[in-house]
Amino acid sequence: ETGVTQSPTHLIKTRGQQVTLRCSSQSGHNTVSWYQQALGQGPQFIFQYYREEENGRGNFPPRFSGLQFPNYSSELNVNALELDDSALYLCASSLDGGLNIQYFGAGTRLSVL
Amino acid sequence: EDQVTQSPEALRLQEGESSSLNCSYTVSGLRGLFWYRQDPGKGPEFLFTLYSAGEEKEKERLKATLTKKESFLHITAPKPEDSATYLCAVHWGAQKLVFGQGTRLTINP
Repeated sequence: ETGVTQSPTHLIKTRGQQVTLRCSSQSGHNTVSWYQQALGQGPQFIFQYYREEENGRGNFPPRFSGLQFPNYSSELNVNALELDDSALYLCASSLDGGLNIQYFGAGTRLSVL
Repeated sequence: EDQVTQSPEALRLQEGESSSLNCSYTVSGLRGLFWYRQDPGKGPEFLFTLYSAGEEKEKERLKATLTKKESFLHITAPKPEDSATYLCAVHWGAQKLVFGQGTRLTINP
């Protein structure tokens, strides 16, 4: 077990709705990264938060947004959901961003109908 | 375009049959290469980090090696519990991990 917890485990939404996914990082870790993993593909980097500030972003539109709280837990928000947003959303925590090992949670499976 | 490619996409082996998985990359300025294992319905589990060409790491039946263009994950005498998807990821730039598409490994008893 990595100590990284994500909620909820599964979620079903309809197109156009908004969703919030949550992640609690491993104790002592101050960096959270979010990834989207489509079926049969590797995870794709969405963005990273380090000490409550966004610290890098992948090729995702602005309707993907995030937040990191003082206890280093994090949220991923997706507005105006599209069918292609259906995927496994993974959160990974690490220490001080950069080169350090990222430890992943079990993910949230989002289905958009 | 910076890219990470894993081969083969899927591999079936008999228990005890050794083999290797490949991860090739074209990113410039590699800062580290990571191997993860992912079981169905779970998040990736960290296995190894390699930082420079020539480096090798071992854990039980797994051994990871790194050259300037690729990494290999060698699996020796695998067991059915080694069945999983193996992902490699390249640390490029300040914080970004770029993943390959994974190799789905099945070990038959």
